[in-house]
Amino acid sequence: AAGVIQSPRHLIKEKRETATLKCYPIPRHDTVYWYQQGPGQDPQFLISFYEKMQSDKGSIPDRFSAQQFSDYHSELNMSSLELGDSALYFCASSPGFRDPTGTQYFGPGTRLTVL
Amino acid sequence: DQQVKQNSPSLSVQEGRISILNCDYTNSMFDYFLWYKKYPAEGPTFLISISSIKDKNEDGRFTVFLNKSAKHLSLHIVPSQPGDSAVYFCAASAQGGSEKLVFGKGTKLTVNP
Repeated sequence: AAGVIQSPRHLIKEKRETATLKCYPIPRHDTVYWYQQGPGQDPQFLISFYEKMQSDKGSIPDRFSAQQFSDYHSELNMSSLELGDSALYFCASSPGFRDPTGTQYFGPGTRLTVL
Repeated sequence: DQQVKQNSPSLSVQEGRISILNCDYTNSMFDYFLWYKKYPAEGPTFLISISSIKDKNEDGRFTVFLNKSAKHLSLHIVPSQPGDSAVYFCAASAQGGSEKLVFGKGTKLTVNP
């Protein structure tokens, strides 16, 4: 079965640079979520999109922005990178309101290292 | 404040025995609870979920129990296998649908052969 695809899998950037992470949801999933997981931490919700509109926002820095495109893929744009942005970034997708259980299916993650 | 708590950072069990992973929550608005399994360098994999209107859900070797009055849930794995060794995250959402998940900090399960 098709899964959530994330690219790139690994990314190394310098401080103050920008980064773009991409997420391709499971086919027919209209809801995408972004999470950040620091070392030894639980995944923290950043932002979500339903039908190309932002549906919820968590602890996402103002330096970050995201959007969902017409083909439902999503991109997380990160600017003025800081050392503390080094983390695993997970994208998850779900069928949204068509699945009331709220089950989200996660991609393999992008490991961002800021030097 | 941590709305979903997994107080045991690690658990070690023998192969064939039962593994019991515990999770507590504080937010009464949560109505779906999910367990995810995570291997290093991989994304969380959905295992099993339970609605707040139920007290038990079973899927093969995995059973989740919910005690709503105590705001407590547990995941039972019987029998435990070495391949079950991973980090297990408890997660919760309010009103299902497209709501965000709130995660616990995870419990690292080691199943010894």
